Formats: sequence, structure tokens, C-alpha cells
Amino acid sequence: QKEVEQNSGPLSVPEGAIASLNCTYSDRGSQSFFWYRQYSGKSPELIMFIYSNGDKEDGRFTAQLNKASQYVSLLIRDSQPSDSATYLCAVNSGGYQKVTFGTGTKLQVIP
Amino acid sequence: GAGVSQTPSNKVTEKGKYVELRCDPISGHTALYWYRQSLGQGPEFLIYFQGTGAADDSGLPNDRFFAVRPEGSVSTLKIQRTERGDSAVYLCASSGAQNTEAFFGQGTRLTVV
Repeated sequence: QKEVEQNSGPLSVPEGAIASLNCTYSDRGSQSFFWYRQYSGKSPELIMFIYSNGDKEDGRFTAQLNKASQYVSLLIRDSQPSDSATYLCAVNSGGYQKVTFGTGTKLQVIP
Repeated sequence: GAGVSQTPSNKVTEKGKYVELRCDPISGHTALYWYRQSLGQGPEFLIYFQGTGAADDSGLPNDRFFAVRPEGSVSTLKIQRTERGDSAVYLCASSGAQNTEAFFGQGTRLTVV
């Protein structure tokens, strides 16, 4: 089992819809969870992080964490074509531990 | 500096040659990561430094790969006897403390011909 799993997509949503991106992780001791956006040919860019169970909202983005289910998700409201990118889920197990990435989900927002 | 800086941005080398890739992290960041990313894949962990020491080098694929961070700031990833399979984008990231987010440089695209 991979440490961090994501559906590779592509996930296609119409402009203005809600995009829902999901991620599961295997290490129950994981403490920090990150969502990065990566445009083609560019480096990953942090867009959200979450440490506690529940929801965290920032503008059009909401991160959701459920540690019991080892599940983290990212919701993008009012999706825009400029949101089209690959979204990487990343997990840190705490202490001096490496950050492990999933393979990413490609999101396509159709105008 | 204002962000993570990686040099060179592109490197083409012949199979069997030695290459060095440099990463200059955000000033004051103690943690530094090297990742490798192949087309269509997520970043693959290589090595993680906390200060000058390699806290976790479990991702280095073999003994041709080595990384140093002698003064706890700039890091160099060294690849000996390069192979065509080493071609990828090598990403460096730094973070300021435990469990905090990592910020990435623009990467070095390595092509082994």
C-alpha cells in the first residue's frame, strides 16, 4: 500500500462547480497534511495545510481532515479554468520526518 | 533569500558523467528536502536535512547519489556515473520548523543523454 494515495484523474468539472479532491494515507501517526497545486512545468505551490480534524476554509478552498478514517480532502468552490492543475496531497508524520507526497490528481475545469 | 533558489535550471549531461545540483534555501530555514519528479508522477523523496545532518536519506536510490549541507544552508546533490534513468526534475524544498509547510524551488531539469 502506498503511503499517500490519490486518484490520478483527470477530474473534469464545469466552471463554477465544486471540485472535490481526495487523499488517503497509511501512517496513522501522521500529524500534518498539505495540499499543493502544480501547474504543468512548474514547481508545487502550497495552497492549504491542516493539522486538526475537521474543516479549514481559506477563500474558495476548504481542506477537510478525518484522522480516524485517514482521509484528507480539498474542496474548491466556484471552480475557475485557472484552477486547472495537478493537486498534490502531502503528509508529514511528525517530528523530524520527511514529507511524503501522493502522485497527484489532475483537475480540469471546463469553461 | 526571498525564496528557494536552485541552480542550474537545466542541465544536460552525457551518460557516465558526474553532476552537481545546488539548492539555496529560504534564509533561516533549518529543514531542507530533495525530491525527484518524473513526468506524470508526484515528487519522490530523496533526502531530508535538519541543519547540517541528513535526518533521513532513505530515498536515495543507490550509492551514486549523495547530498551534503556542510554549513546548514546551501545543499548540493551529487550524482556520479549518471544514467539515462536519472533524467528528471530535481526539486529542493525548505521549511522553517517541524511539521510546517515546505516551500519549493523551481527545480533543476536534468537530462542524461
